Amino acid sequence: GDSVTQMEGPVTLSEEAFLTINCTYTATGYPSLFWYVQYPGEGLQLLLKATKADDKGSNKGFEATYRKETTSFHLEKGSVQVSDSAVYFCALSSGGSNYKLTFGKGTLLTVNP
Amino acid sequence: GAGVSQSPSNKVTEKGKDVELRCDPISGHTALYWYRQSLGQGLEFLIYFQGNSAPDKSGLPSDRFSAERTGGSVSTLTIQRTQQEDSAVYLCASSSKTGENYGYTFGSGTRLTVV
Repeated sequence: GDSVTQMEGPVTLSEEAFLTINCTYTATGYPSLFWYVQYPGEGLQLLLKATKADDKGSNKGFEATYRKETTSFHLEKGSVQVSDSAVYFCALSSGGSNYKLTFGKGTLLTVNP
Repeated sequence: GAGVSQSPSNKVTEKGKDVELRCDPISGHTALYWYRQSLGQGLEFLIYFQGNSAPDKSGLPSDRFSAERTGGSVSTLTIQRTQQEDSAVYLCASSSKTGENYGYTFGSGTRLTVV
């Protein structure tokens, strides 16, 4: 079945540091890939998405590229801010039940000033 | 409403009791989803409603779990005879169309603790 593996946290960085959160997946067919973010006390929000190979999703300075050859969708940001502190979830949807998202376990990011 | 609203935000119940969790989706969203987030785990799909179609209940972990969606809007997730392993955050989401391309809007969740 479908699965998503993302790097375990917590990840602690200083402000303006470079961020990478690794995500790899196993899926049938050609999944769509997502990053969701959950800020403290809030619901999950869609951060970015990519629906086909080599697509790059981007939002709020974050980027992720759909790499079919390595089945990866790593999240990157060049310069993190304290306000980026949150839990980040990688997810995919595929196959006939394309409404059903399969999530990774989440990675807690803490950015210190 | 402006967002997906869930109530209660926190619920503590005794083992063996029944609980009802409520989700009020964004007005006009036809698709509604329930997920469960357990400590240290990712989000686990529970159930999906789309318009008047039969729901996809394939993620419900046991027959103690059921969900309804009345009038295509508000949904209630019911857990009967709660067990300690049911302790988790229950998340509801809605979307305007079916499918991955449109993304979901999640509520803030109900944190259920079974003691």
